[in-house]
Amino acid sequence: GENVEQHPSTLSVQEGDSAVIKCTYSDSASNYFPWYKQELGKRPQLIIDIRSNVGEKKDQRIAVTLNKTAKHFSLHITETQPEDSAVYFCAVNYGGSQGNLIFGKGTKLSVKP
Amino acid sequence: KAGVTQTPRYLIKTRGQQVTLSCSPISGHRSVSWYQQTPGQGLQFLFEYFSETQRNKGNFPGRFSGRQFSNSRSEMNVSTLELGDSALYLCASSLVARYGNEQFFGPGTRLTVL
Repeated sequence: GENVEQHPSTLSVQEGDSAVIKCTYSDSASNYFPWYKQELGKRPQLIIDIRSNVGEKKDQRIAVTLNKTAKHFSLHITETQPEDSAVYFCAVNYGGSQGNLIFGKGTKLSVKP
Repeated sequence: KAGVTQTPRYLIKTRGQQVTLSCSPISGHRSVSWYQQTPGQGLQFLFEYFSETQRNKGNFPGRFSGRQFSNSRSEMNVSTLELGDSALYLCASSLVARYGNEQFFGPGTRLTVL
């Protein structure tokens, strides 16, 4: 089945620095790559997503890059703020399906003021 | 629009019992997916329903089942509960699209099995 590997599992940065989280996947049929942010005790919330027909997408301080050939995609957060502290999950849609997301194990990001 | 809602929010059961969880998707969303979240295994896909039919299924035993009603509301059932079933159960709804589409998560049901 599909395997999504996410690194690092924990990441600590100073406020204002950049943070990068990387994920690799194995299913070449996957065509949708979302990133979710989950704060403690809350539901996962989509922060950015990318589809296989583009290589990069940016939304203010957040960007995602996709390399379909190498089967990896990354989340970039610039000018980090303490409120960015949370667990971030990458995901891929298994087999290109609509509702079946396979998640990475998560990255706990801590932004120190 | 109201978000995805789940009931109950918390549940305590004992081993061997069964439990039913409910999920109401965002109005107009026809796809509902269920996930189990635990500290050790992370977020794992259980199944997805669309138009009252199970469209995808994850790698969980047959004790885990679900269904979807004509109004898109969905329920999942776990029979013969085991201690390892203690988890946060999340449902997510999405519009139907040819490719993957954004899934909106509910607040989850925290199940504790004693």
